[in-house]
Amino acid sequence: GENVEQHPSTLSVQEGDSAVIKCTYSDSASNYFPWYKQELGKRPQLIIDIRSNVGEKKDQRIAVTLNKTAKHFSLHITETQPEDSAVYFCAASITVSDMRFGAGTRLTVKP
Amino acid sequence: DVKVTQSSRYLVKRTGEKVFLECVQDMDHENMFWYRQDPGLGLRLIYFSYDVKMKEKGDIPEGYSVSREKKERFSLILESASTNQTSMYLCASNPPGTGGYTFGSGTRLTVV
Repeated sequence: GENVEQHPSTLSVQEGDSAVIKCTYSDSASNYFPWYKQELGKRPQLIIDIRSNVGEKKDQRIAVTLNKTAKHFSLHITETQPEDSAVYFCAASITVSDMRFGAGTRLTVKP
Repeated sequence: DVKVTQSSRYLVKRTGEKVFLECVQDMDHENMFWYRQDPGLGLRLIYFSYDVKMKEKGDIPEGYSVSREKKERFSLILESASTNQTSMYLCASNPPGTGGYTFGSGTRLTVV
């Protein structure tokens, strides 16, 4: 089955800096790659997603890039703010029912 | 907004007890999922269901079962709770043909 690896496990940045989280996946048939943000004590929430027919997608300060050849995708957060502090999970799936998640990255944005 | 509601936020049970975790969604979604979340391991799929009375094993189904008698409700059952089942349990749902999940708030289960 699909295996998703996520790095780094923790990331600390100064407010205003950029943050990058990287994930790799094992199954070349995977075609959907969402990112979830989980604030302390709250549920994971979808923040951005990308499908395999697109190489990059941007939503304000957040962008996701996908390299299908290398089987990796990344989350980029620019101009980080303290409220960006959370655990971020990447995921990959082929069908709607086989989504597999990375282990998560704890992002801390220091004021 | 789609709502996925888990009946308990915190639960403490004794070893050997039968435990029921309930999840209800209000948007007529076909697909429902149960995950457990552990530090350093991320979210691991226990079971999922794509229709009433249908269920499929995920990656870690041992020690668990599920029930889906109605479309809106998906129950996770720990047949005989053990301490290694202490974890955060997350329910999720989504409609067919799309990928994004809506998660419940989670149930933090402690087995003593």
